Amino acid sequence: QVQLQESGPGLVKPSQTLSLTCTVSGDSFSSGEYYWIWIRQPPGKGLQWIGHIHFSGATYYNPSLKSRLTISVDTSRNQFSLKLTSVTAADTAVYYCAREAMVPAASFDYWGQGTLVTVSS
Amino acid sequence: DVQMTQSPSSLSASVGDRVTITCRASQSISNYLNWYQQKPGKAPKLLINAASSLQSGVPSRFSGSGSGTDFTLTISSLQPEDFATYFCQQSWSTPKTFGQGTKVEIK
Repeated sequence: QVQLQESGPGLVKPSQTLSLTCTVSGDSFSSGEYYWIWIRQPPGKGLQWIGHIHFSGATYYNPSLKSRLTISVDTSRNQFSLKLTSVTAADTAVYYCAREAMVPAASFDYWGQGTLVTVSS
Repeated sequence: DVQMTQSPSSLSASVGDRVTITCRASQSISNYLNWYQQKPGKAPKLLINAASSLQSGVPSRFSGSGSGTDFTLTISSLQPEDFATYFCQQSWSTPKTFGQGTKVEIK
């Protein structure tokens, strides 16, 4: 059974950097069959795919966030992390980490519980 | 980016009703379409992937169909625990994109 857990500050000041970590339990983290994903959901709104990382370190970022975004992986700790710089109120959202199974048609089959990050002074 | 459009945005239905939600992609995505259910305060849950493949443990009253640009999610007999918001999501191309959601409410 795979479990994911987000951690990080719930409040970030405007113009600062939002940093979150996702800890993965289970034996799939270093499997080449999966991507590890960040997704966010502003309060009362829809879901936005932020980006993904493979255990090898290969990444793909949403072009709308690419200039501010870094996703990294620490395979020794079964963790992957998100850093989003120069945040504004528009970055206020529940942030989810998830696993993307690549087959049969890539889907997000396990999710963390989500963590609310508020951008405010 | 592939745009995903769901309809309706919300609907009211009674227990036992048959409910159909549609999702349209801005370009052909073959069968690279997934459906999720989200309840308030919870993470989305994968119901169906590859347009019609039911995830393990998901009740058989849920079904999905479609290919290309037009897809449907059907709940054959709505149960009290099915009142939630449903999202479609395309996995044909990156960035992966979601529909805006359909909220299913109690009539």
